[in-house]
Amino acid sequence: DAMVIQNPRYQVTQFGKPVTLSCSQTLNHNVMYWYQQKSSQAPKLLFHYYDKDFNNEADTPDNFQSRRPNTSFCFLDIRSPGLGDAAMYLCATSRDVLAGHTDTQYFGPGTRLTVL
Amino acid sequence: AQSVTQLDSQVPVFEEAPVELRCNYSSSVSVYLFWYVQYPNQGLQLLLKYLSGSTLVESINGFEAEFNKSQTSFHLRKPSVHISDTAEYFCAVSETDKLIFGTGTRLQVFP
Repeated sequence: DAMVIQNPRYQVTQFGKPVTLSCSQTLNHNVMYWYQQKSSQAPKLLFHYYDKDFNNEADTPDNFQSRRPNTSFCFLDIRSPGLGDAAMYLCATSRDVLAGHTDTQYFGPGTRLTVL
Repeated sequence: AQSVTQLDSQVPVFEEAPVELRCNYSSSVSVYLFWYVQYPNQGLQLLLKYLSGSTLVESINGFEAEFNKSQTSFHLRKPSVHISDTAEYFCAVSETDKLIFGTGTRLQVFP
């Protein structure tokens, strides 16, 4: 089945130690998104790629970076995780943008990040 | 900029009772609207969506939502809920190439 895969499902890191979260998709979608979701809150968009074009949200801290080496893979790098970065990180994909609107987004299962 | 309001943070209901989860969005010329469901420790799953056409959209598991342009609403309904419907429900509206999410409604179904 075509899907969005996130690895690992659970990640523990130490305060200040860089960490990378991985997302892959078999849907061949053009757009890939990274969201941060804290407990009992809505997902918050960090950034997204439209093909190779990177789009950063204005309020995303510089501590968060992303790479998309090819259509299938996208990575989230947290350079120096703080305690406040502990959250669920969700990757999503959409096929394209239709008439100025995002198409349906398909989400991965998420990676829960713990910062010690 | 678009915004989405889900007024009810929690909705407790008994099994087999009807339920409505409310969603209002800020007005726009045209909108795409979505409902997503999230079970504990999982990602979001698309429940249903409105892009155009019929204002009443249905999901395969008995949920339905009606797009009401005059009231800028997209409320989610189910005539008879199951224990397994217990989850967090997010309403979302498209804005260019992004989704704007509401704060979510926790549906808790009791036996």
